[in-house]
Amino acid sequence: DTEVTQTPKHLVMGMTNKKSLKCEQHMGHRAMYWYKQKAKKPPELMFVYSYEKLSINESVPSRFSPECPNSSLLNLHLHALQPEDSALYLCASSQERGGQGSGVSFYGYTFGSGTRLTVV
Amino acid sequence: GDSVTQMEGPVTLSEEAFLTINCTYTATGYPSLFWYVQYPGEGLQLLLKATKADDKGSNKGFEATYRKETTSFHLEKGSVQVSDSAVYFCALRRGSARQLTFGSGTQLTVLP
Repeated sequence: DTEVTQTPKHLVMGMTNKKSLKCEQHMGHRAMYWYKQKAKKPPELMFVYSYEKLSINESVPSRFSPECPNSSLLNLHLHALQPEDSALYLCASSQERGGQGSGVSFYGYTFGSGTRLTVV
Repeated sequence: GDSVTQMEGPVTLSEEAFLTINCTYTATGYPSLFWYVQYPGEGLQLLLKATKADDKGSNKGFEATYRKETTSFHLEKGSVQVSDSAVYFCALRRGSARQLTFGSGTQLTVLP
């Protein structure tokens, strides 16, 4: 299995709703990422998890809450979003070599196909 | 900080034309360099990569050579097809960093 699977593919939610995006990979990758991509723009990093621990939070508003329940799963919980949060949300994973904190060797990202989120 | 600069799009070519998309970078040390492709309505796919100077990445007829002296990683293809129509992103990753730094993307449209 060489894929990152994201669900749902499309999501429409109101500003008072709570929803979650899911991401799954079975490649043994120990780093997982959430990116946000607006139309005609490059992806912007939101969060990085390494060995199931949050290692980078790019000053993302608290209405976005990431969770990594195990090494194969990554969730993004959404609450009280704004219309400007409408975007394509991409999950990615990458292999890491060495133990925790020992420096990262990068083998390339694998991206999922994304969840297209519309906030109304 | 790290940065990647891509040629402005959109680029429109006829089928079987030669493609070049320029990419230059600024980074300390020796970053790894990547080209990603994004087809309409999809996520990003790794097209090719190079991890050290003078490496040539290639895939599906696309090529790019890591030129440290000019800090460039230009994407080329000898004969484009309609199916190559997509957005192409140049990106780098510096040794100890996990995140990718992306260029702004170049929209390519190939006409039959």
